[in-house]
Amino acid sequence: QVQVQESGPGVVKPSETLSLTCTVSGGSISPHYWNWIRQSPGKGLEWIGHVYKDGRATYSPSLESRLNITVDTSKRQISLKLTSVTAADTAIYYCARADTYGSQPLDYWGQGALVTVSS
Amino acid sequence: DIQMTQSPSSLSASVGDRVTITCRASETIYSHLNWYQQKPGEAPKLLIYAASILQRGVPSRFTGSESGTDFTLAISSLQPEDFATYYCQQTYGASYTFGQGTKLEIK
Repeated sequence: QVQVQESGPGVVKPSETLSLTCTVSGGSISPHYWNWIRQSPGKGLEWIGHVYKDGRATYSPSLESRLNITVDTSKRQISLKLTSVTAADTAIYYCARADTYGSQPLDYWGQGALVTVSS
Repeated sequence: DIQMTQSPSSLSASVGDRVTITCRASETIYSHLNWYQQKPGEAPKLLIYAASILQRGVPSRFTGSESGTDFTLAISSLQPEDFATYYCQQTYGASYTFGQGTKLEIK
């Protein structure tokens, strides 16, 4: 059974960099895309970006200038870095696997990591 | 960016009712549309992918359909555990997007 677990600091100061790690167990990193999605308190889901095993990443245009998503297949980890954070980046951050089917449905999700941007 | 307009934003219904939720894409996305259910304090759960294929383990009272750029999630005979928030997601464009969500509440 595939398990996905996000980890990282729960609080980040404004203007600093938010860093999260997603660790995958019980399944292969390949051949899936690995996605990051966030949800601000009381709000809807926002797709942030995804990365493939070869390191190719695609980002949401609204975050692209601040975002970097990488993959380490040997450690079975996917990392997210978001620079210059503000209070608007406070959210639950989810890591999710995309199935290989054409519509790339997100079939396995982590439980989410709450990140609060506050001084 | 492809925009997804989801309606209604909220919906009240009773156990046993049939409800429908719609997502309209701003351009053609073919069948690259997935539906998720989210309950408070939980991660979203995949219900339907490729517009109409039921994810394994999901009850058959959930169905998905498409007509052009309009996509519909139908739930027949609502059960107490179905009261949740539902999201569509398009995966055709370079950047994927979710609908705004539909909160399904008990009447």
